Amino acid sequence: EIVLTQSPATLSLSPGESATLSCRASQSVSSYLAWYQQKPGQAPRLLIYDASNRATGIPPRFSGSGSGTDFTLTISSLEPEDFAVYYCQHRNNWPPTFGPGTKVDIK
Amino acid sequence: QVHLVESGGGLVKPGGSLRLSCAASGFTFTDYYMSWIRQAPGKGLEYVSYISSTISTIYYADSVKGRFTVSRDNAKSSLYLQMNSLRAEDTAVYYCARNIVGGTTIDYWGQGTLVTVSS
Repeated sequence: EIVLTQSPATLSLSPGESATLSCRASQSVSSYLAWYQQKPGQAPRLLIYDASNRATGIPPRFSGSGSGTDFTLTISSLEPEDFAVYYCQHRNNWPPTFGPGTKVDIK
Repeated sequence: QVHLVESGGGLVKPGGSLRLSCAASGFTFTDYYMSWIRQAPGKGLEYVSYISSTISTIYYADSVKGRFTVSRDNAKSSLYLQMNSLRAEDTAVYYCARNIVGGTTIDYWGQGTLVTVSS
């Protein structure tokens, strides 16, 4: 099973600042990595799939990069609605696994 | 608009059974693979099961293999999860989810249904 590690666990930032979230895989997942956003009491929402493709309706301030074992989600200028937990997930093989999440909270 | 609505959650004793249902609408159900994902209270996400559109491919997490059975009724645009021999560690919100074509990435999620296993 591929283990995904996310860092930092918590990121405290102010609206307007840029956020950089990291996801590292225990072995290569090629470009088969997705990012999700989850707010309290809600289901996750797909942001990025296959490392760098924005999902439908996702604003351009969200961008993804990386391949192999190291991936990054960047939020270029945080809006109030972006404060949430972010998970990465690989689809390289079974079982697909999720990272433990990075919480982006308001400083 | 894609809608996934789960039902069937609730409180069950250890060793008991429960059947979750998911009603899908707003898309051609037979075109998509579907999945169940769960999230224990205050915890992260765990992929539980995955079923292809023709039911030819089914996968389960090791943690539920032999106890859970996924199925679908394409005529009713519905997905199911039969859960037997439930344990306390199965307590979670269970999400019905639609897969992006070609893999296990999820593009739409239901609102989730809570399963609590407790005596």
